[in-house]
Amino acid sequence: GAGVSQSPSNKVTEKGKDVELRCDPISGHTALYWYRQSLGQGLEFLIYFQGNSAPDKSGLPSDRFSAERTGGSVSTLTIQRTQQEDSAVYLCASSLDGTTNYGYTFGSGTRLTVV
Amino acid sequence: GENVEQHPSTLSVQEGDSAVIKCTYSDSASNYFPWYKQELGKGPQLIIDIRSNVGEKKDQRIAVTLNKTAKHFSLHITETQPEDSAVYFCAAHKREYGNKLVFGAGTILRVKS
Repeated sequence: GAGVSQSPSNKVTEKGKDVELRCDPISGHTALYWYRQSLGQGLEFLIYFQGNSAPDKSGLPSDRFSAERTGGSVSTLTIQRTQQEDSAVYLCASSLDGTTNYGYTFGSGTRLTVV
Repeated sequence: GENVEQHPSTLSVQEGDSAVIKCTYSDSASNYFPWYKQELGKGPQLIIDIRSNVGEKKDQRIAVTLNKTAKHFSLHITETQPEDSAVYFCAAHKREYGNKLVFGAGTILRVKS
């Protein structure tokens, strides 16, 4: 596609429920990143995919968080048993080949609110 | 690991004035420093970047400077306009697993007309 697409744009969920956030990167981009942006905060790295593999998942906050990528394209970030502190904007970015020759292109994010 | 500090957290300038945002990084091995602009309800957008073999880079009204010895880099916006109002993030990269960026906390820039 022309840009990075994320869905849903907004999600309100009850504490304890599971949620799935989707990212559709730019076609042909092999690198995909998930970041979390809490209110008034910077961007916190969660996980990096190169193709379907995740060589760096060091930023996932707990085992309630998981992510997968299939077909070298769409990625899904899953949060199980959501907590109020999970409320944030979840941003996805893609890059052509995971090198610094090409910058990140971000999606518009999914705003998650846990009530 | 890498740590990036960004100042100021908020900045108000009059239209036409210049704005400067400063960042420091901790890891001397970092070699790529992009700046992103985030408008309300949108994802961050890359506006300019600099690599460690360059001291300064300009693109129209925007410039970035890098001091490797002091481990700091700055964003300069001249002749500011209301549409420059946004949140600006600096970032630093160290080549580990792919192009992983560590971001500063952001600067809210308000340009008053």
